[in-house]
Amino acid sequence: AQKVTQAQTEISVVEKEDVTLDCVYETRDTTYYLFWYKQPPSGELVFLIRRNSFDEQNEISGRYSWNFQKSTSSFNFTITASQVVDSAVYFCALSEVGFQKLVFGTGTRLLVSP
Amino acid sequence: DTEVTQTPKHLVMGMTNKKSLKCEQHMGHRAMYWYKQKAKKPPELMFVYSYEKLSINESVPSRFSPECPNSSLLNLHLHALQPEDSALYLCASQRGGAGTNEKLFFGSGTQLSVL
Repeated sequence: AQKVTQAQTEISVVEKEDVTLDCVYETRDTTYYLFWYKQPPSGELVFLIRRNSFDEQNEISGRYSWNFQKSTSSFNFTITASQVVDSAVYFCALSEVGFQKLVFGTGTRLLVSP
Repeated sequence: DTEVTQTPKHLVMGMTNKKSLKCEQHMGHRAMYWYKQKAKKPPELMFVYSYEKLSINESVPSRFSPECPNSSLLNLHLHALQPEDSALYLCASQRGGAGTNEKLFFGSGTQLSVL
């Protein structure tokens, strides 16, 4: 069975602080995909990254970086020098190859104050 | 055009009403999804259409009826809803058919309140 755990329900930081959002997943498959989506107050989920299980390279995109570790089944997301516009709910998600269903974690609400 | 457009943005309906939610995309995507999201919860999958055919129904009550008239349009027909059906309804599309594990493009949702 697939499962995604985001243990941090809510995180509050002050602007310019770095923040890491944790994601731990469970799957029996050796081939799978991991995702992060951002949901700002406007409601739509915005895609941030997709990583397949064979690619353990960490990725950096501007202030965003992702650390994928298969050994600990984790796919953590770090925002460097956070900004107020980063305030949103962030969802980690998992899908197994060929499966149509995306399994979401419960989300982490990030509040960045000025 | 890289948008998924949902209308209406807000909807209030009584339990005896019939209404429809609409979702459009003009990106040539071949899979379209309906999700339901309650407050402070993750989205829950309801239906998946792939190449205009229903491929997943996640045991959704029959008071929700999806329709995919063409590859750009997805409707969700609502009838005799219950107050517990109040939620944000999100539409999403995917470039390839369902099961390709590609990213989803989401609309901004319809906030539904059932009185």
